[in-house]
Amino acid sequence: QQQVKQSPQSLIVQKGGIPIINCAYENTAFDYFPWYQQFPGKGPALLIAIRPDVSEKKEGRFTISFNKSAKQFSLHIMDSQPGDSATYFCAARTETSGSRLTFGEGTQLTVNP
Amino acid sequence: EPEVTQTPSHQVTQMGQEVILRCVPISNHLYFYWYRQILGQKVEFLVSFYNNEISEKSEIFDDQFSVERPDGSNFTLKIRSTKLEDSAMYFCASSEVLAGVTQYFGPGTRLTVL
Repeated sequence: QQQVKQSPQSLIVQKGGIPIINCAYENTAFDYFPWYQQFPGKGPALLIAIRPDVSEKKEGRFTISFNKSAKQFSLHIMDSQPGDSATYFCAARTETSGSRLTFGEGTQLTVNP
Repeated sequence: EPEVTQTPSHQVTQMGQEVILRCVPISNHLYFYWYRQILGQKVEFLVSFYNNEISEKSEIFDDQFSVERPDGSNFTLKIRSTKLEDSAMYFCASSEVLAGVTQYFGPGTRLTVL
């Protein structure tokens, strides 16, 4: 029940395309859903995060859509660029678990020029 | 911009040996974490640490693991007797407060157990 399922495992788009990465969860106690971006040789870096009281959050070219009833959330990258090529992880956390982040499996995104 | 640093970047050890992985969290942060990522798998939580004691630990964090804040800047993860399956990337993270805010990750230490 603590799992977060992420898909697809890998994704290739052309520059300007809109890659979409999806995550699903079971634990309704999750109350914070961040997305992390990881470049090779680097640690994960927070990209954007959402709480379940809103259905969408946008920061620059990155948008999270959140569907509480379906227990799903997704990351959309508008006007994708080759520099967006990285591994993206969704994650979730509950108040009761305190600090623990539960990560999805990761999506390796490649944006071709 | 402040960042979490980790040393070494790569550690190779023999099975059964003890290793200590070191982290310097962001200076005004109070909460510290260790995560690990086995090659090709997801990032997994190991332990969180606050006020010189463990706040939470996962089922992975068994008796062979320990954490310490030996001084005002370092945060360490010790693995007493390494196993082959301990080979992974170990990430340190820190945050200002516990609830619902950004955890900043270091670049990781790649541990290879032979």
